[in-house]
Amino acid sequence: AQSVTQLGSHVSVSEGALVLLRCNYSSSVPPYLFWYVQYPNQGLQLLLKYTSAATLVKGINGFEAEFKKSETSFHLTKPSAHMRDAAEYFCAVTIYGSGNTGKLIFGQGTTLQVKP
Amino acid sequence: NAGVTQTPKFRVLKTGQSMTLLCAQDMNHEYMYWYRQDPGMGLRLIHYSVGEGTTAKGEVPDGYNVSRLKKQNFLLGLESAAPSQTSVYFCASSYRAGGPYEQYFGPGTRLTVT
Repeated sequence: AQSVTQLGSHVSVSEGALVLLRCNYSSSVPPYLFWYVQYPNQGLQLLLKYTSAATLVKGINGFEAEFKKSETSFHLTKPSAHMRDAAEYFCAVTIYGSGNTGKLIFGQGTTLQVKP
Repeated sequence: NAGVTQTPKFRVLKTGQSMTLLCAQDMNHEYMYWYRQDPGMGLRLIHYSVGEGTTAKGEVPDGYNVSRLKKQNFLLGLESAAPSQTSVYFCASSYRAGGPYEQYFGPGTRLTVT
């Protein structure tokens, strides 16, 4: 079975500072990992995804994440935070194979606050 | 191309009332999902469908029913609403199941049961 743990339900950074949102996963088979962002009162939007093609994945809005198998991690980073990055971020895992139903397993979410 | 749409956006129900949430997608996706989002718990899968005419239970199916009579629509029903069903409900769809195939989400329905 797969699971996801996001360390820190709330992260606060200053505008221009580094953003680091942590995600650790558990999977008995090779995982596919996603980061979604949810702006206030909106649905989820895909930021980036890991599909085994490359361990460093670049996404939209300047975000990137690195897949580290040895650490079972997929942390999300951005070099310089902007006020518009304030949102809730979700890490999710799924697998791929015969009979797979495509269910996503989500972490608990991390709220990013950006201070001016 | 509207993507995934949900109707209604907001609803208030009294305990015991029933309602149906409608999800529609125009991307010709086979797979559709209903999630609920509660504070500190992420999104949890209620029911899903792997194609027209099929449905299956997810992680938290009790108190909900679903139907997928048309490929583009996925309905979520509450037969007798309870305060524990106060939540934000998201519908999602994907072209294929799992792997690199991302899910596309609707804007959500905020339901309050009093």
